[in-house]
Amino acid sequence: DTAVSQTPKYLVTQMGNDKSIKCEQNLGHDTMYWYKQDSKKFLKIMFSYNNKELIINETVPNRFSPKSPDKAHLNLHINSLELGDSAVYFCASSPPTGTGNTIYFGEGSWLTVV
Amino acid sequence: KNEVEQSPQNLTAQEGEFITINCSYSVGISALHWLQQHPGGGIVSLFMLSSGKKKHGRLIATINIQEKHSSLHITASHPRDSAVYICAALGGTSYGKLTFGQGTILTVHP
Repeated sequence: DTAVSQTPKYLVTQMGNDKSIKCEQNLGHDTMYWYKQDSKKFLKIMFSYNNKELIINETVPNRFSPKSPDKAHLNLHINSLELGDSAVYFCASSPPTGTGNTIYFGEGSWLTVV
Repeated sequence: KNEVEQSPQNLTAQEGEFITINCSYSVGISALHWLQQHPGGGIVSLFMLSSGKKKHGRLIATINIQEKHSSLHITASHPRDSAVYICAALGGTSYGKLTFGQGTILTVHP
């Protein structure tokens, strides 16, 4: 079973559309994240949720709205898509900081806005 | 200047060579990750370390907290090691906030 799964893997859409990317983890972790990887392959955190509560919001435009219906899911909804939103979006999860365990990433969702 | 700096940005090696990738950071951290990203994009955490040294197979990671520096070594490199290697500093106060280096593209030729 895939530990962190994201859907869709590829998404091509037009400017102005609204789209969602879903993420689920079956590791029992309390903390989930969304990261964005730009065209230069640079990764940056967007959001972090702990037990369904928003912990980190890194000055992401409010067109991006994460939603965590339960601690195993963290979905990313994007309104009014812009060309600059084209990127790879990675979901991840981890156990509590300090437990000595690592972080697990999903396979990524390739978003192309045309 | 990025809070986490890696060098080199690109590295080409012949199979069997010993490889070192360096990471320096300017932020306070509770731990540091070394990540591997293969073509096709999946990211895997190779190591998470907060002090000393860890070894897994041909991979060795070290960290010097006082000098704010970490290294990833690959012994007896192989073409399947070709990937992007990313160091990521784990913040000391926020829940798992990772600050990433820009990555090192490693190509190992047979």
